[in-house]
Amino acid sequence: NAGVTQTPKFRVLKTGQSMTLLCAQDMNHEYMYWYRQDPGMGLRLIHYSVGEGTTAKGEVPDGYNVSRLKKQNFLLGLESAAPSQTSVYFCASSYPGSHNEQFFGPGTRLTVL
Amino acid sequence: DQQVKQNSPSLSVQEGRISILNCDYTNSMFDYFLWYKKYPAEGPTFLISISSIKDKNEDGRFTVFLNKSAKHLSLHIVPSQPGDSAVYFCAARGARAGKSTFGDGTTLTVKP
Repeated sequence: NAGVTQTPKFRVLKTGQSMTLLCAQDMNHEYMYWYRQDPGMGLRLIHYSVGEGTTAKGEVPDGYNVSRLKKQNFLLGLESAAPSQTSVYFCASSYPGSHNEQFFGPGTRLTVL
Repeated sequence: DQQVKQNSPSLSVQEGRISILNCDYTNSMFDYFLWYKKYPAEGPTFLISISSIKDKNEDGRFTVFLNKSAKHLSLHIVPSQPGDSAVYFCAARGARAGKSTFGDGTTLTVKP
């Protein structure tokens, strides 16, 4: 099993450009999440999904959109990138239930110039 | 308002000694607490967890203690090993599994 994979691993954008980050999991998890981590800070939840076709806002959703068309994939979109979105982005997945741990991908390092 | 706080950004201990990492929370609706470990350039990995109905959970060298009245939990690592050097995140969840709140992390350095 590959677990949780993220594409791409690194990306540099210019202000105003758009891009999509792809997250894929092969564990048949219902729940998927997108976080961002800034230096010296913890992970902040951007958006999450509790099932195929459903998405919900997290703590810092502004400037991002998501889609969960297939159970195994969770896409994070930046329509018009800003330097404040320079961060490391982590995708995670889990089974339902607050007691279930999340499995994280390796991260995508995004720089917006 | 930060609901989960890890007040010590860093901790350094000698190999073989005990490491104690602390975490405080403010939301009494949290019912499950988890610790994750993160190495540089990797995603966090789950380490250990505890339900709010318990006050202790042990897994090998790792023990988590929960004090609900003080809204405080701690992770004990005994004995500490150099391979334990990483960033440790405390996380809390309520009944809705989509809402995990993370602390800012504590960087643990275990010196040989």
